[in-house]
Amino acid sequence: DAGVIQSPRHEVTEMGQEVTLRCKPISGHNSLFWYRQTMMRGLELLIYFNNNVPIDDSGMPEDRFSAKMPNASFSTLKIQPSEPRDSAVYFCASSLTTREQFFGPGTRLTVL
Amino acid sequence: AQKITQTQPGMFVQEKEAVTLDCTYDTSDQSYGLFWYKQPSSGEMIFLIYQGSYDEQNATEGRYSLNFQKARKSANLVISASQLGDSAMYFCAMCMTTDSWGKLQFGAGTQVVVTP
Repeated sequence: DAGVIQSPRHEVTEMGQEVTLRCKPISGHNSLFWYRQTMMRGLELLIYFNNNVPIDDSGMPEDRFSAKMPNASFSTLKIQPSEPRDSAVYFCASSLTTREQFFGPGTRLTVL
Repeated sequence: AQKITQTQPGMFVQEKEAVTLDCTYDTSDQSYGLFWYKQPSSGEMIFLIYQGSYDEQNATEGRYSLNFQKARKSANLVISASQLGDSAMYFCAMCMTTDSWGKLQFGAGTQVVVTP
């Protein structure tokens, strides 16, 4: 079975541009998480969904960030407008139970 | 709020030796789960092992075992017979299982370098 799929793997954009990160969770998993990893802040949870419904978005840094999960097999994380401090690796993860959580390969975002 | 502490920023270990990575946590909840992940230089997050707070036995997965000491709030990872491929960053994480969602909070990580 395929793991969590993320695209793009790398994204370089200029400040002010809109960025959309995509995630396909493992089939059958009902929870989806978006994390961000930076050297300064480590790994931090941004938002998570259960059965396609956003449960907690308190980790989203500001209104420039938004996430959607229109169906069980697809989620997006959008940054508009992007800023250099948004440069990070963004991970998507999915799970079926609280005893496991599988991560995608991540998207390395660079905002110039 | 819970907190995860990994006090070892980095360590060297010789191939074939065992290594213990420390993790302590702070929570007032009784029901929680503890995870260890490996992040090699390629960047992916690899799930290694899970321990539930009510699990009676310490978790083991191949060469990985979790030394769970609930009273001390510690969940140390033991890697036996280290291999060169074990060189990576290792993260301890915790989730509350009472909320059923499984959101993870991570420690700062420990960088392990395995030498020949």
